[in-house]
Amino acid sequence: NAGVTQTPKFQVLKTGQSMTLQCAQDMNHNSMYWYRQDPGMGLRLIYYSASEGTTDKGEVPNGYNVSRLNKREFSLRLESAAPSQTSVYFCASSPTSTGVNTEAFFGQGTRLTVV
Amino acid sequence: QKEVEQNSGPLSVPEGAIASLNCTYSDRGSQSFFWYRQYSGKSPELIMFIYSNGDKEDGRFTAQLNKASQYVSLLIRDSQPSDSATYLCALWGTNAGKSTFGDGTTLTVKP
Repeated sequence: NAGVTQTPKFQVLKTGQSMTLQCAQDMNHNSMYWYRQDPGMGLRLIYYSASEGTTDKGEVPNGYNVSRLNKREFSLRLESAAPSQTSVYFCASSPTSTGVNTEAFFGQGTRLTVV
Repeated sequence: QKEVEQNSGPLSVPEGAIASLNCTYSDRGSQSFFWYRQYSGKSPELIMFIYSNGDKEDGRFTAQLNKASQYVSLLIRDSQPSDSATYLCALWGTNAGKSTFGDGTTLTVKP
């Protein structure tokens, strides 16, 4: 049982390049999330998907797009990377998105550097 | 005002002592509350969740929730050096999926 799997673990991009971060969960969870974490800070929500077929903006969505490909997979795309997007990105999933059973489990993270 | 505020650290306690971590929040409609532990360079790990007012105990950890005061805390009894980490307070609010994390409190347990 792998839980939440993110790929890649590390990535270096040049300014203006694009890339997609992949996330998959095998816990049959309905809700999935993308966060970024900057040094010394907590996690900030980029986008989330409360259930398959829905996505919503979080606190810091600018410069990102997401796709909930199916119940298992939720990808994050940077269309034109900027140095301000240098961060650690975490994907998470939870059974539900509201009320009880919202406990979220995290992937191992992707360290992205934009030069 | 931040939506989730944690007591500023770093916090240092001797081994065997009780560590107290505090968190206040602004969304009165928040329904679920979590404490995550994050070791340096690692992903957050869920250690406690609480949904109802009162105390919830799990081993050496106790979470306390007071919705009227908009306050949630984590007590770690018999602190061990392995408890040294950053602790993140998180909540899920009134909008489905909208989660908010505090900036974290770094705890050091000294042998």
